[in-house]
Amino acid sequence: AQTVTQSQPEMSVQEAETVTLSCTYDTSESDYYLFWYKQPPSRQMILVIRQEAYKQQNATENRFSVNFQKAAKSFSLKISDSQLGDAAMYFCAYRGEGNTPLVFGKGTRLSVIA
Amino acid sequence: DTGVSQDPRHKITKRGQNVTFRCDPISEHNRLYWYRQTLGQGPEFLTYFQNEAQLEKSRLLSDRFSAERPKGSFSTLEIQRTEQGDSAMYLCASSPGQGWNTEAFFGQGTRLTVV
Repeated sequence: AQTVTQSQPEMSVQEAETVTLSCTYDTSESDYYLFWYKQPPSRQMILVIRQEAYKQQNATENRFSVNFQKAAKSFSLKISDSQLGDAAMYFCAYRGEGNTPLVFGKGTRLSVIA
Repeated sequence: DTGVSQDPRHKITKRGQNVTFRCDPISEHNRLYWYRQTLGQGPEFLTYFQNEAQLEKSRLLSDRFSAERPKGSFSTLEIQRTEQGDSAMYLCASSPGQGWNTEAFFGQGTRLTVV
């Protein structure tokens, strides 16, 4: 079974600075998708960014980018120019072949300090 | 399109009672998922539907849990004889179903407290 590990329960960053959230995963599949979801307090989870495993180029969405290392099974999220609104729980998630349900990590709580 | 809607948002029930939650997915989304999230944990998969067919159930889904999606539209999740360990946030998500790179859209969840 696939597993997703987020080793940082909590992180903090100064406003306007850059922070990197870590994620590793375990799978025997060769083709899959990886996602980062954001869950603000008392609000619904929303997609931040996604990465296709067969694409070597790292995905980027405005201030959010990933560092995808397939051989190392690592998928970190970098948030640049952090804003107060970035404060939330961030979940790394894996979707395997055949459109299987998402498998989530335990999350990282990000605080942004003004 | 108003997004994924879940009802109720909060439910407090006494141990041993039955509860039922409802999820209305984004219209025309074929896939509907139920997850459970406890404090300090990520969402854990419970079950999912492709249209009205329930395709997979997690071993987390004990016999006290049942889910339905009649007519492939809204879905209900029922928990019978609730236990304190059932206290959690129950999340519903939907996706178009075509292609497995598609985003899953989540509702705001139903928070269950069993006292």
